[in-house]
Amino acid sequence: QSALTQPPSASGSPGQSVTISCTGTSSDVGGYNYVSWYQQHPGKAPKLMIYEVSKRPSGVPDRFSGSKSGNTASLTVSGLQAEDEADYYCSSYAGSNKFVVFGGGTKLTVL
Amino acid sequence: QVQLVESGGGVVQPGGSLRLSCAASGFTFSSYGMHWVRQAPGKGLEWVAFIRYDGSNKYYADSVKGRFTISRDNSKNTLYLQMNSLRAEDTAVYYCAKAQLGYCSSTSCSTFDYWGQGTLVTVSS
Repeated sequence: QSALTQPPSASGSPGQSVTISCTGTSSDVGGYNYVSWYQQHPGKAPKLMIYEVSKRPSGVPDRFSGSKSGNTASLTVSGLQAEDEADYYCSSYAGSNKFVVFGGGTKLTVL
Repeated sequence: QVQLVESGGGVVQPGGSLRLSCAASGFTFSSYGMHWVRQAPGKGLEWVAFIRYDGSNKYYADSVKGRFTISRDNSKNTLYLQMNSLRAEDTAVYYCAKAQLGYCSSTSCSTFDYWGQGTLVTVSS
């Protein structure tokens, strides 16, 4: 069982927006502004999409955005495109004992 | 460009040992903390271990503490994971990943900006 809770699946039509949630506790998501989101296509390594809650690395489209409220972080993908279909994982710093925890992943389907 | 190439995976019997390597290039390896993250077949990501840029601090997931050891050789630009007392539940693709910030402190070491392609470890009799 993963430390952070994500919905197993999400979907949307091309051009629509979809939001994926990531719920933790005050010991991880709620306690630190070090939430990241990773995209993983089948058979590939994960790719960093969002870091420190809402920052985008160079090269990541601005269709991807992140936010946090309390113990829940969210990833929003706007203007869905076919290539956005992938698994998405959130992660958070969780203190010196657990260090980093992941969510169980959300499979995003573009209808 | 940053490259991380894992090696050393394979099939091992329960109770056995294996050492994974991760060869790094395209960045100043000695300035960055490094992680191992694993993914069991069809499952999600699980953080395994972290080592600071100079090897002075190491952190482990509870599931591997006491059995796995992370280390690095900055003269060879290589990260290692020594895995002992392997169990069936250790079966996974093991990725090495680079911490985003150089000389990072605890919180800022928790973002992985580059990942290797992974190496598969199968624990089975």
